[in-house]
Amino acid sequence: SQKIEQNSEALNIQEGKTATLTCNYTNYSPAYLQWYRQDPGRGPVFLLLIRENEKEKRKERLKGTFDTTLKQSLFHITASQPADSATYLCALTSGTYKYIFGTGTRLKVLA
Amino acid sequence: EAGVAQSPRYKIIEKRQSVAFWCNPISGHATLYWYQQILGQGPKLLIQFQNNGVVDDSQLPKDRFSAERLKGVDSTLKIQPAKLEDSAVYLCASSLAPPTQGNEQFFGPGTRLTVL
Repeated sequence: SQKIEQNSEALNIQEGKTATLTCNYTNYSPAYLQWYRQDPGRGPVFLLLIRENEKEKRKERLKGTFDTTLKQSLFHITASQPADSATYLCALTSGTYKYIFGTGTRLKVLA
Repeated sequence: EAGVAQSPRYKIIEKRQSVAFWCNPISGHATLYWYQQILGQGPKLLIQFQNNGVVDDSQLPKDRFSAERLKGVDSTLKIQPAKLEDSAVYLCASSLAPPTQGNEQFFGPGTRLTVL
């Protein structure tokens, strides 16, 4: 069955360092991959869209990669700040009609 | 631009009772989604509408859950009767078009349901 895995354990890093989050998938051939941020008590907020043929997308301090050979996406936050502390979700679609979300990774940036 | 509106924000009911959630998507958004998010998990799609038609409801427990999107605008999700395992946050989202081009989803704040 289709499976999307993100690190279930929280990731703690020091302010100013680069945070790297992982999203792995199996039994799936996605055409699009999205990253969302979710704060406690709020709905997810869209951050990045990476198309299958793009391999990488950047937006300010954010960078997402999409490796269809490894079946993996990496999400990087450079020069991390305490305000970046949140849960980050990846979502994949094969380009048909619906997205499937991963379980999310909680990031905590320590001042 | 106004975001996705949901109400109520919180609801506490006893098992076997019924409950309804309301969602008003962003104006002009043709696609509307209802997700269930259990604590510590990612959102799980319950039902997806394209205008007022159902595109996917494969994970909707149809014996107790129902949803409608009259006139292709706002939507209601109902649970009747509720079970303890329905305790979760119910998220509504909308997008300009279906995920065929990777369209961004805009989420509402969610309704936190507690079933006692």
